[in-house]
Amino acid sequence: AQSVTQLDSHVSVSEGTPVLLRCNYSSSYSPSLFWYVQHPNKGLQLLLKYTSAATLVKGINGFEAEFKKSETSFHLTKPSAHMSDAAEYFCVVSRGSTLGRLYFGRGTQLTVWP
Amino acid sequence: DTAVSQTPKYLVTQMGNDKSIKCEQNLGHDTMYWYKQDSKKFLKIMFSYNNKELIINETVPNRFSPKSPDKAHLNLHINSLELGDSAVYFCASSQLAGESDTQYFGPGTRLTVL
Repeated sequence: AQSVTQLDSHVSVSEGTPVLLRCNYSSSYSPSLFWYVQHPNKGLQLLLKYTSAATLVKGINGFEAEFKKSETSFHLTKPSAHMSDAAEYFCVVSRGSTLGRLYFGRGTQLTVWP
Repeated sequence: DTAVSQTPKYLVTQMGNDKSIKCEQNLGHDTMYWYKQDSKKFLKIMFSYNNKELIINETVPNRFSPKSPDKAHLNLHINSLELGDSAVYFCASSQLAGESDTQYFGPGTRLTVL
């Protein structure tokens, strides 16, 4: 079975400080992992994805995530937060089949203070 | 040149009515999906079509009926709407139905049932 746990429902940071959004997964085998971002009243946009290649994945807008199999984690980081980063972030795991079924975490609301 | 578009963006209706949401993608993808996002922002897959063939049908009331007239379109028809159907519905598409295929999401349709 696949599941995703986002450890923080809300994260608040000051502009210019680092961002850490935590995600743990459980999967019967090596999964594909994604981070999506949803800005208010918008659709979901892919930030980055891990598909069993390099464990450190770089995404758009300065975000990156590291796949750690031993810790079953896929935390999202950014060195310096920007006001425009304020949004809802979803960690997502994909089932290892040909059906493309995605399992979403509950989301982390990121607030960035000026 | 919107990649995945949905209409309408907002839909307000009375209980018991029948309504449809339309989705179109111009990415040339073979697979399309419908997701439901509840009031707590949790996203769950409802249906998936690959080359106009239904491949995922989650535990969804049979009042919900997807229809795919061609690979570029996946519509969602809902009969006898209930209060609990109020949510944001997202359409998505991917090149194939593989676990590592990136899914591209539409802007969402906010359905409010009164």
